[in-house]
Amino acid sequence: AQSVSQHNHHVILSEAASLELGCNYSYGGTVNLFWYVQYPGQHLQLLLKYFSGDPLVKGIKGFEAEFIKSKFSFNLRKPSVQWSDTAEYFCAVDDPNSGYALNFGKGTSLLVTP
Amino acid sequence: ETGVTQSPTHLIKTRGQQVTLRCSSQSGHNTVSWYQQALGQGPQFIFQYYREEENGRGNFPPRFSGLQFPNYSSELNVNALELDDSALYLCASSLRQGLMHTEAFFGQGTRLTVV
Repeated sequence: AQSVSQHNHHVILSEAASLELGCNYSYGGTVNLFWYVQYPGQHLQLLLKYFSGDPLVKGIKGFEAEFIKSKFSFNLRKPSVQWSDTAEYFCAVDDPNSGYALNFGKGTSLLVTP
Repeated sequence: ETGVTQSPTHLIKTRGQQVTLRCSSQSGHNTVSWYQQALGQGPQFIFQYYREEENGRGNFPPRFSGLQFPNYSSELNVNALELDDSALYLCASSLRQGLMHTEAFFGQGTRLTVV
């Protein structure tokens, strides 16, 4: 069965620090990969997605992620975080056997301190 | 804003009761998926509707059921509510055309509390 693992459940960073959130998945076939963000009190929003092509994907708000097929990884990065990046981050893989429904990791709670 | 709207935003029900949650998909989208997000967890896939038929189902019992209407809006029904059903229920819409599909856009969710 498909699964998604996020390595860090809680991360605390100071403003301007660099961010890397780990995500690994298990699935034998072709995958589409996503990072979603949930700001406090808001709906889940798409940060970035990988369907095919360049494995380095750039998203909104300065985020990027790199798909490494050999490592089954899709880590999220940002060179310099801001207080407004405080949120819950979810990695997800879609499942073509379930109409491309999303299989989410448990999430990483990021707190950025001033 | 995503254009996906859910109602109600909050709901309190008693164990054993039934509940219906509603979702209006984003304009132009034909696929609706429902997810359950327990506190501190990632969303868990419940089921998906495409062209008014269930098109995939996660590991949820039959007392979780749904509908999709011709305008692509959708309902999630839960019978015989249990305390563990307390969660945020998320609706997501997307567009499928043949093998092409867009990413999912999520609504704000319905917070269900079962007491």
